[in-house]
Amino acid sequence: DSGVTQTPKHLITATGQRVTLRCSPRSGDLSVYWYQQSLDQGLQFLIQYYNGEERAKGNILERFSAQQFPDLHSELNLSSLELGDSALYFCASSMRGGAFTGELFFGEGSRLTVL
Amino acid sequence: DAKTTQPNSMESNEEEPVHLPCNHSTISGTDYIHWYRQLPSQGPEYVIHGLTSNVNNRMASLAIAEDRKSSTLILHRATLRDAAVYYCIPYNYGQNFVFGPGTRLSVLP
Repeated sequence: DSGVTQTPKHLITATGQRVTLRCSPRSGDLSVYWYQQSLDQGLQFLIQYYNGEERAKGNILERFSAQQFPDLHSELNLSSLELGDSALYFCASSMRGGAFTGELFFGEGSRLTVL
Repeated sequence: DAKTTQPNSMESNEEEPVHLPCNHSTISGTDYIHWYRQLPSQGPEYVIHGLTSNVNNRMASLAIAEDRKSSTLILHRATLRDAAVYYCIPYNYGQNFVFGPGTRLSVLP
């Protein structure tokens, strides 16, 4: 158990809809990362937050947005969903107490299916 | 982000050592070399990381070339549970933590 909790574990929705994925980081971790993993694209880095502020941005679509709240949990919002958005979405956390130890802790992922 | 090159796949027999190579010729002087693995149907998990010296932990050893342009992850005795995709990631805090395609390791009983 990594200590990172992601909900929901599975989600099925239709094209054009909007969903929110939630991530609770490991206790004390200040940084949260979001990744998308689809069969043909591998693990794609989307975005990173540190203590509520955006720290790094990867290949995140404009239809996607994220935020990290004062209690450090994070949400990834996916809107105008397309079939190609079907994927596993992973959250990871690091920076316990503000110190980077070199280790990211990953959740079990949220599997999104868009029909 | 430094570019990495890893074999697409490798095979090993159970209880034998496995050497997983990674080339990262564009690595910067301050990038640490991180290794992660992803078991089937799970999120990635940290294996080991280092800067210049060889590193050991309970999971594996990391051998880093003197010029730091390549590294090798060593699993001393492969088990069936070690079958996974292994990722080599040069990284320094503040950059994007980017996963490449990795090496799919199969372990044969």
